[in-house]
Amino acid sequence: KNQVEQSPQSLIILEGKNCTLQCNYTVSPFSNLRWYKQDTGRGPVSLTIMTFSENTKSNGRYTATLDADTKQSSLHITASQLSDSASYICVVSGPPGAGSYQLTFGKGTKLSVIP
Amino acid sequence: NAGVTQTPKFQVLKTGQSMTLQCAQDMNHEYMSWYRQDPGMGLRLIHYSVGAGITDQGEVPNGYNVSRSTTEDFPLRLLSAAPSQTSVYFCASSSLVAGGQYEQFFGPGTRLTVL
Repeated sequence: KNQVEQSPQSLIILEGKNCTLQCNYTVSPFSNLRWYKQDTGRGPVSLTIMTFSENTKSNGRYTATLDADTKQSSLHITASQLSDSASYICVVSGPPGAGSYQLTFGKGTKLSVIP
Repeated sequence: NAGVTQTPKFQVLKTGQSMTLQCAQDMNHEYMSWYRQDPGMGLRLIHYSVGAGITDQGEVPNGYNVSRSTTEDFPLRLLSAAPSQTSVYFCASSSLVAGGQYEQFFGPGTRLTVL
């Protein structure tokens, strides 16, 4: 069964510090891996999309890495800000088939940045 | 360009009542989908559509109906609400981005409570 496991479940860090969120997946075949940020009470917003051939992708202070061999990804947040407080969701996509796109969602890591 | 819009934001129903959650997008996306998000679980796909007139079931379709008469609109109907359908519902639309991958855009969500 396709699964996406994220760790930690929750994390509290001080403003200005860095942090790294982890994502392990068992989805096969694999097409791409996405990280989303979901603020409380809002819909998820895409941060990065990486295909199996990409090792790293950045979006401002967010840097995602992917190791397709070990089926692991990480999201590194640099110099955290209060506005980074949110849930971060890892989503893995299998290849499109018959007009569908199969996404497996992780449960998310809830990040709290405190002053 | 409003993106993906959902109405209502909040709704309380009694068991057995029916209702329609509205979703609209103004980005001319072919793909649209409905998810539910429950505490401690990843987003789960209810129904999706690859274009006007075409819909298909996702992971948890029971108790829900959809139709796609236009590219812009993708309403979700609850036929006879049950307490197990208490959840936050997200509509999403997707577009092709560079590299042949789909990028999803989520609406703000509808928080539904069934008593």
